[in-house]
Amino acid sequence: EDQVTQSPEALRLQEGESSSLNCSYTVSGLRGLFWYRQDPGKGPEFLFTLYSAGEEKEKERLKATLTKKESFLHITAPKPEDSATYLCAVQAPGGSYIPTFGRGTSLIVHP
Amino acid sequence: SQTIHQWPATLVQPVGSPLSLECTVEGTSNPNLYWYRQAAGRGLQLLFYSVGIGQISSEVPQNLSASRPQDRQFILSSKKLLLSDSGFYLCAWSVSGRPYEQYFGPGTRLTVT
Repeated sequence: EDQVTQSPEALRLQEGESSSLNCSYTVSGLRGLFWYRQDPGKGPEFLFTLYSAGEEKEKERLKATLTKKESFLHITAPKPEDSATYLCAVQAPGGSYIPTFGRGTSLIVHP
Repeated sequence: SQTIHQWPATLVQPVGSPLSLECTVEGTSNPNLYWYRQAAGRGLQLLFYSVGIGQISSEVPQNLSASRPQDRQFILSSKKLLLSDSGFYLCAWSVSGRPYEQYFGPGTRLTVT
């Protein structure tokens, strides 16, 4: 059973059209939720870490929020250079240092 | 600042040939190190992770092995490649002792022919 589910799988936006990506998780006692951006043919680039419900982080046009069941990555007035796959990962309780990744949302922003 | 290197960037190998991919991290000590494989349209599959020199944990039984000969060096190997070993291989590191975010290398695109 997947612990991390991202939706939608793919999203096409017009430049300037704000939207949100969703990451829902089923682990209890979350130790951390991470967002990454991955460009084609490159390794994922770390964006944010969220630790507790109600927490928010911002970077340029991106804003990540966290509730007890899901996280949203809000993209405000996106530009074509925001096109990428966005990955979400969660860190469950316990001694393991292994996060669980979702399959990602592929975002394309048209000029 | 910390940096992570992987090489080679791309590799084309015939079935049955050996494999050696190398990853090194600079600017940190005793990092946790990870090898992932990413297939097209699929998520990241964790292959191996290491919390210290000589300490390797395997997540998926397969045709691959990993070694950590030095604190900041992680090597992925195979004695005989299979077609199914093709994919995008990513090395990552995280701060020792804490389940914090991972930082990824640029990746190696492996094609087995």
